[in-house]
Amino acid sequence: DIQMTQSPSSLSAFVGDRVTITCRASQGIDKSVAWYQQRPGKAPKFLVYSASRLESGVPSRFSGSAYGTDFTLTISSLQPEDFGTYYCQQYFGIPYTFGQGTKLEMK
Amino acid sequence: EEQLVQSGGGLVQPGGSLRLSCAASGFTFSSFWMSWVRQTPGKGLEWVASVNQDGSEEQYVDSMRGRFAISRDNAKKSLYLQMNNLRVDDTAVYYCARVSPRTWKSFDIWGQGTMVTVSS
Repeated sequence: DIQMTQSPSSLSAFVGDRVTITCRASQGIDKSVAWYQQRPGKAPKFLVYSASRLESGVPSRFSGSAYGTDFTLTISSLQPEDFGTYYCQQYFGIPYTFGQGTKLEMK
Repeated sequence: EEQLVQSGGGLVQPGGSLRLSCAASGFTFSSFWMSWVRQTPGKGLEWVASVNQDGSEEQYVDSMRGRFAISRDNAKKSLYLQMNNLRVDDTAVYYCARVSPRTWKSFDIWGQGTMVTVSS
């Protein structure tokens, strides 16, 4: 199975900060990565696909990028509604696998 | 509004069975692959299974193949997960999810989740 190692596991930041979350794949997966946001008690929300393409309706302060087997999600200026847990997912191979999550908390 | 509403779940003894349901509305259900994803505190999010538009193709994570069965009824706009021989480590929140047409392998609409607890 393809492992997705996500870092950091938790992060504290202020409103307005720029934050970056990283996922490293255990093998080459082209750009077959999606990102999700999950707020407490809610289902995940689809943010990014193909490593860098924003889903319709997702604010432009979110962006994704890929460098080999490293994938990043960046929020350029944190808003209060952005706090929660973020997950990456690879869909290059079955089984589809997720990173372990990054909990983004307000400082 | 595109929506998935789940039902089923609850407490079941080890070795027991349970069927989860997921009703779709607001989109053409029969045009999309559908999936189940589960979430546990220990293992995080875990893809369980997917089924194609007419139900003729199913995909499973190896650890659940043979115990779990995904199915759909397009006339009822519903997705199902039959879970047999349940184990304590199957305890999780189970989500149904629509497979995104952007990639046909990621998940763009999710149900509200339903808790399954396997315990004696």
